[in-house]
Amino acid sequence: QLQLQESGSGLVKPSQTLSLTCAVSGGSISSGGYSWSWIRQPPGKGLEWIGYIYHSGSTYYNPSLKSRVTISVDRSKNQFSLKLSSVTAADTAVYYCARAALGIAGYYYGMDVWGQGTTVTVSS
Amino acid sequence: EIVLTQSPGTLSLSPGERATLSCRASQSVSSSYLAWYQQKPGQAPRLLIYGASSRATGIPDRFSGSGSGTDFTLTISRLEPEDFAVYYCQQYGSSLRPWTFGQGTKVEIK
Repeated sequence: QLQLQESGSGLVKPSQTLSLTCAVSGGSISSGGYSWSWIRQPPGKGLEWIGYIYHSGSTYYNPSLKSRVTISVDRSKNQFSLKLSSVTAADTAVYYCARAALGIAGYYYGMDVWGQGTTVTVSS
Repeated sequence: EIVLTQSPGTLSLSPGERATLSCRASQSVSSSYLAWYQQKPGQAPRLLIYGASSRATGIPDRFSGSGSGTDFTLTISRLEPEDFAVYYCQQYGSSLRPWTFGQGTKVEIK
């Protein structure tokens, strides 16, 4: 059974870079037919999709965050990572990683596996 | 960007009642690209429905999805105590446009 586990800095100072990693266990990040996303949820608010990466390394970011976001994959460690630069208090949130299953002709099977989430606070 | 608007914001119902949640898109969304999630406090979202109407693995049949174009609905036929939660719709933009979530509907115990 595939599992995802987020880890990284829980407290980041304003203007610095937030760094998180999502470790994939019980399966390979290199398996075809999946993309790997980051999603965040500010306290008491809804979900915001940040971006995704394929095992090939191709990415797509939310335009609202694109200038500050980098998602990368490390196939040797079976994990993918998020970097968000120039953070402000508005970036305080629970950050989730998730797997999206994709089918033939781009059919979307939803984000079917999620990590438990990790809280990141931006504060001096 | 496709904006998803969910209504109502909060639904107050009793166990055993039927819940009908709406998700309206700012432009047409392929049914293949519409999903619903359930989130309980302190937990990650859980996939309920994909392809607008297909239940994810292990999801009880009291959950059903329907709709097309710009109007989608999640129905819970008879609410169980564990169904009281926040529900989100989500559209898949592939690599053409951002993936977006609705703002959520909270189903609370009346």
